[in-house]
Amino acid sequence: GNSVTQMEGPVTLSEEAFLTINCTYTATGYPSLFWYVQYPGEGLQLLLKATKADDKGSNKGFEATYRKETTSFHLEKGSVQVSDSAVYFCALSSYDYKLSFGAGTTVTVRA
Amino acid sequence: DAGVIQSPRHEVTEMGQEVTLRCKPISGHNSLFWYRQTMMRGLELLIYFNNNVPIDDSGMPEDRFSAKMPNASFSTLKIQPSEPRDSAVYFCAGGSGGLSTDTQYFGPGTRLTVL
Repeated sequence: GNSVTQMEGPVTLSEEAFLTINCTYTATGYPSLFWYVQYPGEGLQLLLKATKADDKGSNKGFEATYRKETTSFHLEKGSVQVSDSAVYFCALSSYDYKLSFGAGTTVTVRA
Repeated sequence: DAGVIQSPRHEVTEMGQEVTLRCKPISGHNSLFWYRQTMMRGLELLIYFNNNVPIDDSGMPEDRFSAKMPNASFSTLKIQPSEPRDSAVYFCAGGSGGLSTDTQYFGPGTRLTVL
């Protein structure tokens, strides 16, 4: 079956630091890969996605590259801000509509 | 666009009471999902509708849970009778196609506390 494993948190960083959150997956077929972000008190919202191998998703300074050979989709941002404090979820969807989510990584950025 | 609307945002009830959660998806979206989020189990898909028809309810925990989608603009999730272990945040999400590449748009959630 499908599964997602992401780096455990919590992660605490200073402003302008580099952020990496590791995500690896197991899936049947050719999955689409997603990063969703959940800000305090809100629902999840799509941060970026990639639908085929070697695609790079990017948004708001965040990037992730779909690596089929390593079954990974690591999230990176070069310089984080306090406003990036949130819970980040890696997710995948293969041949159907179902999203399989990782456990989530809580990121706190200090000023 | 108001996004996905859920009500109530918070619900506190006593064990044994009936609870109804409501969702209004984004206009034009024909897929609707109900999720439950807890610290212990993370995000769990409860049920999926496509064009108002329940396609997959394998995630519904037990018979105490039921969901309906009488039209394209409204869905309910009902728990009767409620139990303390049902305490969680319940999210409604919608999408446009039900494909693996589709983005899901989440509502703000309903935080349910069963005492």
